[in-house]
Amino acid sequence: EVQLVESGGGLVQPGGSLRLSCAASGFTFSSYEMNWVRQAPGKGLEWVSYISSSGSTIYYADSVKGRFTISRDNAKNSLYLQMNSLRAEDTAVYYCAREKKGAVGYWGQGTLVTVSS
Amino acid sequence: EIVMTQSPATLSVSPGERATLSCRASQSVSSNLAWYQQKPGQAPRLLIYGASTRATGIPARFSGSGSGTEFTLTISSLQSEDFAVYYCQQYNNWQFTFGPGTKVDIK
Repeated sequence: EVQLVESGGGLVQPGGSLRLSCAASGFTFSSYEMNWVRQAPGKGLEWVSYISSSGSTIYYADSVKGRFTISRDNAKNSLYLQMNSLRAEDTAVYYCAREKKGAVGYWGQGTLVTVSS
Repeated sequence: EIVMTQSPATLSVSPGERATLSCRASQSVSSNLAWYQQKPGQAPRLLIYGASTRATGIPARFSGSGSGTEFTLTISSLQSEDFAVYYCQQYNNWQFTFGPGTKVDIK
């Protein structure tokens, strides 16, 4: 069974940093592309970042480019999102997500990031 | 960036009735279109990928169609568990944009 468990969310002040982690199990992590997707309270879904199975190809949404860094450790079956220069508009539930046939096939339960003073 | 739009924003349907949800892309995404269902307090769930292929375990009452810029999700006979928000998403372009969602609620 595919399992994705996010951690690292919490309350942070504007301008601060946070590192999210996602522990993957139930599949061969190194074979799959991964994404981070977020959802602000009461709002829709927003794709944040993509990383290829090897980590060699990375993409970001314009809204986070230059501030967020996605990475993975295939030996540890883990996905990360380093978030710097956080803004109030980054407040959201952040989902770790695995691709399936190009779409987002599997989702974690999400971790809440709140940016507020 | 490819902009995804969905209509209607809210769809009120009686149980057992048919629901038709629309999704439009600002430019062609070929068949690289997915549909997701999200219930309150839960993560989204993949329903359809490749515009028309049901994901594993998705009931046959869910069907997807379309290609290029116009897509449709049809729920043939709404069950109580189908009342939720539905999102479309394109993955043709590397900025994997989502639509704003259609809320299906009970009439």
